Amino acid sequence: DVKVTQSSRYLVKRTGEKVFLECVQDMDHENMFWYRQDPGLGLRLIYFSYDVKMKEKGDIPEGYSVSREKKERFSLILESASTNQTSMYLCASSSPTGYVWQPQHFGDGTRLSIL
Amino acid sequence: SQQGEEDPQALSIQEGENATMNCSYKTSINNLQWYRQNSGRGLVHLILIRSNEREKHSGRLRVTLDTSKKSSSLLITASRAADTASYFCATDGGSGNTGKLIFGQGTTLQVKP
Repeated sequence: DVKVTQSSRYLVKRTGEKVFLECVQDMDHENMFWYRQDPGLGLRLIYFSYDVKMKEKGDIPEGYSVSREKKERFSLILESASTNQTSMYLCASSSPTGYVWQPQHFGDGTRLSIL
Repeated sequence: SQQGEEDPQALSIQEGENATMNCSYKTSINNLQWYRQNSGRGLVHLILIRSNEREKHSGRLRVTLDTSKKSSSLLITASRAADTASYFCATDGGSGNTGKLIFGQGTTLQVKP
């Protein structure tokens, strides 16, 4: 089974801090994704990566950056955390096979609180 | 941007009853997927239906797809308390080969024992 591991289940940080959320997958997937999930808004894509060192902005990239130095690891960075970035963050990975999309496999999420 | 919209937003039924959730989307698609999320956990893939398919089954799950109406439904038969979760549809939005999905806001299902 594919395993996507997020480094922390719960995280509390202060306004202005630089925050790193780490995600590791063990199935050699090319694609990796970062979402945030808020009540009433569903999942919104922040950034995704389809190869090492490649990244593309999702729907809400402002205030975030990402890093993919190795295929198995995709990091989300909050450059200067703000209270409106308090949310549940979900990482996912998938393997592309032409136009037959493979399912995305999700980690258990990091519930981040910015005080 | 959110493409899928699930209906209803919340559903409460008794164990043993069937649960039906609907999803509407706006653009053309190559496939549509359904996911489940237990409280406080990540999403788990349930089933994928391709745009040239009309119906698909997996155990107690039945998914239909009507591309002319841009809608899909997920039916869970003989529901169990363990089916209590949020259910999301997701589409590829007809986009290129990135694997990117667009998720709806979800239906929260409560199955009472």
